[in-house]
Amino acid sequence: DGGITQSPKYLFRKEGQNVTLSCEQNLNHDAMYWYRQDPGQGLRLIYYSQIVNDFQKGDIAEGYSVSREKKESFPLTVTSAQKNPTAFYLCASSNKVYNEQFFGPGTRLTVL
Amino acid sequence: AQSVTQLGSHVSVSEGALVLLRCNYSSSVPPYLFWYVQYPNQGLQLLLKYTSAATLVKGINGFEAEFKKSETSFHLTKPSAHMSDAAEYFCAVSDPSRGSKVIFGPGTSLSVIP
Repeated sequence: DGGITQSPKYLFRKEGQNVTLSCEQNLNHDAMYWYRQDPGQGLRLIYYSQIVNDFQKGDIAEGYSVSREKKESFPLTVTSAQKNPTAFYLCASSNKVYNEQFFGPGTRLTVL
Repeated sequence: AQSVTQLGSHVSVSEGALVLLRCNYSSSVPPYLFWYVQYPNQGLQLLLKYTSAATLVKGINGFEAEFKKSETSFHLTKPSAHMSDAAEYFCAVSDPSRGSKVIFGPGTSLSVIP
């Protein structure tokens, strides 16, 4: 089955530690995205990538970093510089035709 | 710049009643439009999309939406609400000629009262 996988589903980290969230897709999509979602709020774009080895900052990139070394993978690192990292993180990919986005199941990060 | 507004952050309907979730967009060119549904602790799932073919678009789970260019609207409807429709709904707009970004609305939380 084609789709997007995110791992782990739940992640706990101590304050001050960097943590990397995984996102893999087998849809052969060029574009991939990371969003942050806080309780009762909409989606905020962190980073997106339109092609391998290239990515752009979204609306809330501070305290986050990404890489895009392979078409299938777009990992997100939440660094210690992120002031309030506890949130639900969603990864998505899209085709070029309509930018229709396909979402992964999400990772809920809790920083203790 | 593109933007999406969703009137009503919370909507409550009785089971069996009409569901109407409003979405208005701003775009300098006819965009592509989407409705997504999100259940608690899950990712977003595409309900339906408008891609400049038919203006009345049918989606999954009995939902449909009508693109009205004159009103810059893309409201989502369902004739009869079911308890399982309780979820968060997001309207989104994209213009691929401007790149890969998709603009999402703030979302509407739908409650279904038995």
